[in-house]
Amino acid sequence: AQKVTQAQTEISVVEKEDVTLDCVYETRDTTYYLFWYKQPPSGELVFLIRRNSFDEQNEISGRYSWNFQKSTSSFNFTITASQVVDSAVYFCALSGNTGTASKLTFGTGTRLQVTL
Amino acid sequence: DAGVTQSPTHLIKTRGQQVTLRCSPKSGHDTVSWYQQALGQGPQFIFQYYEEEERQRGNFPDRFSGHQFPNYSSELNVNALLLGDSALYLCASSLVGAGGELFFGEGSRLTVL
Repeated sequence: AQKVTQAQTEISVVEKEDVTLDCVYETRDTTYYLFWYKQPPSGELVFLIRRNSFDEQNEISGRYSWNFQKSTSSFNFTITASQVVDSAVYFCALSGNTGTASKLTFGTGTRLQVTL
Repeated sequence: DAGVTQSPTHLIKTRGQQVTLRCSPKSGHDTVSWYQQALGQGPQFIFQYYEEEERQRGNFPDRFSGHQFPNYSSELNVNALLLGDSALYLCASSLVGAGGELFFGEGSRLTVL
């Protein structure tokens, strides 16, 4: 069975601070995909990144960066110089074979609150 | 380009009633998945439809059923509603072979009294 653990329930930071959201996963699949989604108060899940199990290169996109470490089954997400607009719930998710866009297993989410 | 649209946005039902939720996928997408998100939890996969057939199903009872139409839109039906069915129901669309990226709608919030 697949499982995603986001141990941080809620994080509060002051604007411009850096913040890291942790994600640990479990799977028996040799091929799998990891995702991060952002859920603002409107409810819509916004896709941030997809990473396959064979690509352990870290990725940076603007203020966002992701650190994938297969050895520790972790896929952590860092926001640099956080902004109030980053306030949302962030979900880490895992899927197996995505040839048919298979189901995602989500963590319980981390609520990030950024204040002035 | 319209994204994923869902209706209704909010609805209130009583125990034992039946509900139908609707979803129109993003233009060009052929696969629709449904998720249930209880308050404070992550979304849970209900099922996925492709070519008008249910392709995968999560751990949900038969009270949850669905349908996909030739235009790729989809419905989620829940019979004999229970209080525990109160949740945000999210629809996600994708394109087969596109690597699993899902585009989500804003959801339908169901309250069962």
